[in-house]
Amino acid sequence: ETGVTQSPTHLIKTRGQQVTLRCSSQSGHNTVSWYQQALGQGPQFIFQYYREEENGRGNFPPRFSGLQFPNYSSELNVNALELDDSALYLCASSLSPGGGYTFGSGTRLTVV
Amino acid sequence: KQEVTQIPAALSVPEGENLVLNCSFTDSAIYNLQWFRQDPGKGLTSLLLIQSSQREQTSGRLNASLDKSSGRSTLYIAASQPGDSATYLCAVMDNFNKFYFGSGTKLNVKP
Repeated sequence: ETGVTQSPTHLIKTRGQQVTLRCSSQSGHNTVSWYQQALGQGPQFIFQYYREEENGRGNFPPRFSGLQFPNYSSELNVNALELDDSALYLCASSLSPGGGYTFGSGTRLTVV
Repeated sequence: KQEVTQIPAALSVPEGENLVLNCSFTDSAIYNLQWFRQDPGKGLTSLLLIQSSQREQTSGRLNASLDKSSGRSTLYIAASQPGDSATYLCAVMDNFNKFYFGSGTKLNVKP
C-alpha cells in the first residue's frame, strides 16, 4: 500500500477554469515533488517543495503553482486551464530531497 | 539538458523468457537512477534504485545495472510472468533532486 495519497483520482474541467489537486504524504516526508505525465510519455518535473519552500522548478508556466503544509500535505494549483493540461498528475514524497521517492497513484485531469 | 531514452518502446514475449530493457541518458552527472513499474492508469511503483557510485542492484527476479560513464542502464527480468506485464520507466535524478524520465517500455508477457 502506497504511503502517498492523491485526490481526487479523476477530474474533468473546462478550459479556462482553475483546479486544485491534493497530495498527502507519509509523516516525516518533508520533500514533495509534482510531475505531469501526458498519455504515452514519461512524467515531466513540475516543481519540488522542501519544508514548505519551493526549491526547484521545471519548464512550466507560472499558472502552475503549489503549496506544502506542515502536516505533510501539499497542493498543485493550475489556473487558466488549457486542453494540453490534460494529463496524469503525480505527487512523490521523500524523507529528504536526495532520498528514495514514493509516488502516489495520481490524479487524471481531463480539460474539455 | 538531460535526455533519457528507452529501447524498445514495446516488447512482447512468451512466459518464462528472460528479457532485458535498455535505458540511456545523455548527462553522466547523475545522483541516482531508478527503475519504476507503471500499470495502466496508475502511479509509479519503485523497483530498483542504484546510487551513482553503485554498479548494480538486485531484487528477486530483477537485476538493474548502471554504467554511468557510458550513460547506460539495463533492467534484466528473469523467468518473465504474465503479471510482469506493465510499462517500465527508467528515471535519472540529477544533483538538484529532479527526475528525468524516459518514455517507457511497454512489456506484454503472454501466457
